[in-house]
Amino acid sequence: DAGITQSPRHKVTETGTPVTLRCHQTENHRYMYWYRQDPGHGLRLIHYSYGVKDTDKGEVSDGYSVSRSKTEDFLLTLESATSSQTSVYFCAISGTGIEKLFFGSGTQLSVL
Amino acid sequence: QQQVKQSPQSLIVQKGGISIINCAYENTAFDYFPWYQQFPGKGPALLIAIRPDVSEKKEGRFTISFNKSAKQFSLHIMDSQPGDSATYFCAGYSGGSNYKLTFGKGTLLTVNP
Repeated sequence: DAGITQSPRHKVTETGTPVTLRCHQTENHRYMYWYRQDPGHGLRLIHYSYGVKDTDKGEVSDGYSVSRSKTEDFLLTLESATSSQTSVYFCAISGTGIEKLFFGSGTQLSVL
Repeated sequence: QQQVKQSPQSLIVQKGGISIINCAYENTAFDYFPWYQQFPGKGPALLIAIRPDVSEKKEGRFTISFNKSAKQFSLHIMDSQPGDSATYFCAGYSGGSNYKLTFGKGTLLTVNP
């Protein structure tokens, strides 16, 4: 998966707890993205980063925050998880253009 | 506001048949239209893509047809095989948007042997 590692791959947590998902890349790409995938909604952009410490919101950013302190790591945090955040989360990276957008294998998150 | 509408939501095709998935977009600034293929438990992967300066692009059994005036594009899979069974996403992209894609909702394709 183009040097992208998402962790954990699966997580079950309780409502109200904080959760952090990690995306690690070995490609030295500038751009990193967090998407969520839900049945009937496809892939929706949560947040993205266009450089170290440079991030911006996507279309479904409420309830999520991100951080990127170094090129290779992009963290997605759910400050207080809710059941509506049960989803599959995908990290993606891009370095040289939109034709080179690669996705990780995803994190299945269940909020009970 | 959904900017890329994809249909059908699911599709069942017999082996050897033609699979057709359609997408319509609203944002006339889009200048790149990719299709992604996703197998269960995996992330989406780029399958084929087209830019609006051409009306068709073919790669093996996969063809994109593009109609700029109608703001529509479609994926045709010729001689469909069981190994093509996957979820397919169309997407649109406008240059200068930090490589952010807008995806359709996906089509689950099942090819029966």
